[in-house]
Amino acid sequence: DVKVTQSSRYLVKRTGEKVFLECVQDMDHENMFWYRQDPGLGLRLIYFSYDVKMKEKGDIPEGYSVSREKKERFSLILESASTNQTSMYLCASSSTSRGSNQPQHFGDGTRLSIL
Amino acid sequence: GDSVTQMEGPVTLSEEAFLTINCTYTATGYPSLFWYVQYPGEGLQLLLKATKADDKGSNKGFEATYRKETTSFHLEKGSVQVSDSAVYFCALSERGSGNTGKLIFGQGTTLQVKP
Repeated sequence: DVKVTQSSRYLVKRTGEKVFLECVQDMDHENMFWYRQDPGLGLRLIYFSYDVKMKEKGDIPEGYSVSREKKERFSLILESASTNQTSMYLCASSSTSRGSNQPQHFGDGTRLSIL
Repeated sequence: GDSVTQMEGPVTLSEEAFLTINCTYTATGYPSLFWYVQYPGEGLQLLLKATKADDKGSNKGFEATYRKETTSFHLEKGSVQVSDSAVYFCALSERGSGNTGKLIFGQGTTLQVKP
């Protein structure tokens, strides 16, 4: 079974702090994704990566950056946390084998509160 | 661009009732279609998928048929249980993105099953 592990289930930080959310997958997947999930807004894609050191902006990249130095690890960085970044953050990974039929596999999420 | 529209929730049913959650999509080409389920406090899990027109995905008593003529992928279950209470997301794979595995998600539909 694919395992996607997010480093924290719950995190509380202060406004202005630099925040790191870590995600590791164990299935050698090429693609990795970061979403945020807010009530009434569904899942919104922040950034994704299709290879080591490659990244692309999703729908809401403002205020975030990412890092993918190793294939298995994809980090989301909040450069200067603000209260409107309080949310549930979900990481996912998928394989490119057999084209775009491959599902994404999700971690359990990190509930981040910015005070 | 591609999009997914789900029926708004919450949907409240009694145990053993029949479930339908509507999902329609707009897409260029022929996307793959997915249903994900999110139980309280957890990440998303793949429930079922269909990769081409007239395919039927099924899992745990849930079914959905890829209907190209109506651009729909409605989720059904003949007899729901309390343990099916969760949020259900319909999604499609975004074609033409070079196998990056991007998915477009619907807003999610909350299902509550009462004993």
